[in-house]
Amino acid sequence: NAGVTQTPKFQVLKTGQSMTLQCAQDMNHEYMSWYRQDPGMGLRLIHYSVGAGITDQGEVPNGYNVSRSTTEDFPLRLLSAAPSQTSVYFCASSEDLIGNSPLHFGNGTRLTVT
Amino acid sequence: GESVGLHLPTLSVQEGDNSIINCAYSNSASDYFIWYKQESGKGPQFIIDIRSNMDKRQGQRVTVLLNKTVKHLSLQIAATQPGDSAVYFCAEIPETGANNLFFGTGTRLTVIP
Repeated sequence: NAGVTQTPKFQVLKTGQSMTLQCAQDMNHEYMSWYRQDPGMGLRLIHYSVGAGITDQGEVPNGYNVSRSTTEDFPLRLLSAAPSQTSVYFCASSEDLIGNSPLHFGNGTRLTVT
Repeated sequence: GESVGLHLPTLSVQEGDNSIINCAYSNSASDYFIWYKQESGKGPQFIIDIRSNMDKRQGQRVTVLLNKTVKHLSLQIAATQPGDSAVYFCAEIPETGANNLFFGTGTRLTVIP
């Protein structure tokens, strides 16, 4: 199993550009989520999904959209990138609700917005 | 070696010694705790978890201790190896049924050969 796969690994955007960060998992996990990691701030939840067709906001959702059309995929969209969105983004999945099973993370996308 | 979570973000230990990484949490209703290891350029990797109805859980070379009275969590690594060098995060579920893990800022463990 590949686990959680994120693409691209690195991306540079100009302010105002849009892009989609891809996330796919092959473990048939129902729960998927996106976190951002900034120096000195730990990981913070952006959006999550408890199953196909269901998404909800996390701690820092502004500036990001998500959709969950299949169990496997959970893309994160930046509609108009801002320098404050420079960060490392991690996608994660778990078999069940995160209180019942641990999150498994991808290796991240490092995004720089200039 | 021993660290006190957020106030000492780095910990250096000699290879072969035991490591203790500490984490304090503030929510007495927190129900589930997880330790993650993150190596440079990689995503966090699950190490061990513990529920609030337990005070100790052991894995391979790792032990997690939970003290609910003082809201303190620790990760003990036995016979620390160079491959254990990484940043270690504790994370908590703030309440039963919540869908968010709250992460600490991490402790960087450096193993000295």
